[in-house]
Parts: sequence; C-alpha cells; structure tokens
Amino acid sequence: GENVEQHPSTLSVQEGDSAVIKCTYSDSASNYFPWYKQELGKRPQLIIDIRSNVGEKKDQRIAVTLNKTAKHFSLHITETQPEDSAVYFCAAIASGGSYIPTFGRGTSLIVHP
Amino acid sequence: DAGVIQSPRHEVTEMGQEVTLRCKPISGHNSLFWYRQTMMRGLELLIYFNNNVPIDDSGMPEDRFSAKMPNASFSTLKIQPSEPRDSAVYFCASSLSTGTEYGYTFGSGTRLTVV
Repeated sequence: GENVEQHPSTLSVQEGDSAVIKCTYSDSASNYFPWYKQELGKRPQLIIDIRSNVGEKKDQRIAVTLNKTAKHFSLHITETQPEDSAVYFCAAIASGGSYIPTFGRGTSLIVHP
Repeated sequence: DAGVIQSPRHEVTEMGQEVTLRCKPISGHNSLFWYRQTMMRGLELLIYFNNNVPIDDSGMPEDRFSAKMPNASFSTLKIQPSEPRDSAVYFCASSLSTGTEYGYTFGSGTRLTVV
C-alpha cells in the first residue's frame, strides 16, 4: 500500500520567514496530493491541493510543488504569520483506485511573532 | 451544505460503558471514513465505507469497536466496552470520488475521554 513520509515533525520560524514542509510517497499510482491545516482543537481543513499533471500550484502565500519522478511534494508558506501556526498534514491519493487518502504524520508549525 | 456533522462534540464516560459516535456525511458523497487522532499515533484510519458498504476495517483496533452505515446519510462508531486508552479525538470524513472529481471533508470531531 501507499506510504507517506512527512518532515519535519516540528518547524519553528519567525514571523515573516518562509516555511517548507516536505512529503514523500511510495505508490506511483498516487495522482492527487492535498494539504490540510489543523488548528488547535479544530478539524483538518483543505488548504491547497495538486494533481499529478501539474508541477506547481500557488494560492496567495502558499504553494505546493510536485516532483513525480522523485515521488515527493512540498508545501511552501511565504511571509509566515502567527495565524499560520497549526499542524499541517500532507496526503496522497490514487484517484483511479480506492480513493483512500494516506496521510503523513503531520508537521507542527509554530510562527513566533 | 452544513458539511460533515458529528455528534456529540465531547463525550466523557466511565470505563466499561458503551459509547456511540455519530456522523452525517455531506449529501451526495459516496464514501465515509472514521479516523482516530492521538498525539502518539497521529491520524489513524479505522474504517472506510463506500456506498454504505464497509470496504476496509483493518484499522479497527479490536472487537470492542464496531461501525455501521445503515444509509447514505448516517453512520455510527460504537465502542463497547470503552477503556481509558480509547480516549482520543474521533473524526468522520466523507468524500465524493469519481473518475474526475475528488472532494474530502472532515467533520469537527468528537473528543472522547474515558475515565
């Protein structure tokens, strides 16, 4: 089955700095890669996603890149703000298969004012 | 749409008692997932339904856990008897999976405390 590794587990940055979270996956059939943000005490919510026919996608201060050959994808947050502090999860899904997302273990991002 | 609705939001129960968690998926979604989240283990998939049929329950920790989906708009996760180690946040999620579209939404979760 699919295996998703996520690093780092904890990331501490100063406000205004950039943050990068990296994930690798094992199943070459995976073709959809969503990212979720979970604030303390709340549910994970989709913030951005990318499909395997695209190498990069941006939405304001966040971007996701995908390298299919190397089987890794990354979340980039620029100009971080304290409200970006949360746990971020990556996931990999084979949309032609069971549609069950395999989640990474999560990255706790702390943005210091 | 109100999203995925879970109840109760919080549950405190004594060890040995039966606990039932409830989930209403987004209307039109054809897949439903139950997850357990703890600090130690992260997000664990417990069971997955597709078109109301349980497809994969390999994540269910033991026989004390059971899940049902009697119709497309309702699912339950039951723990009987409950134990302190079952304390966690339980999330339900639903999705629409077709060949060209994918949507995956979590409910707000049920925080279970077994004392």
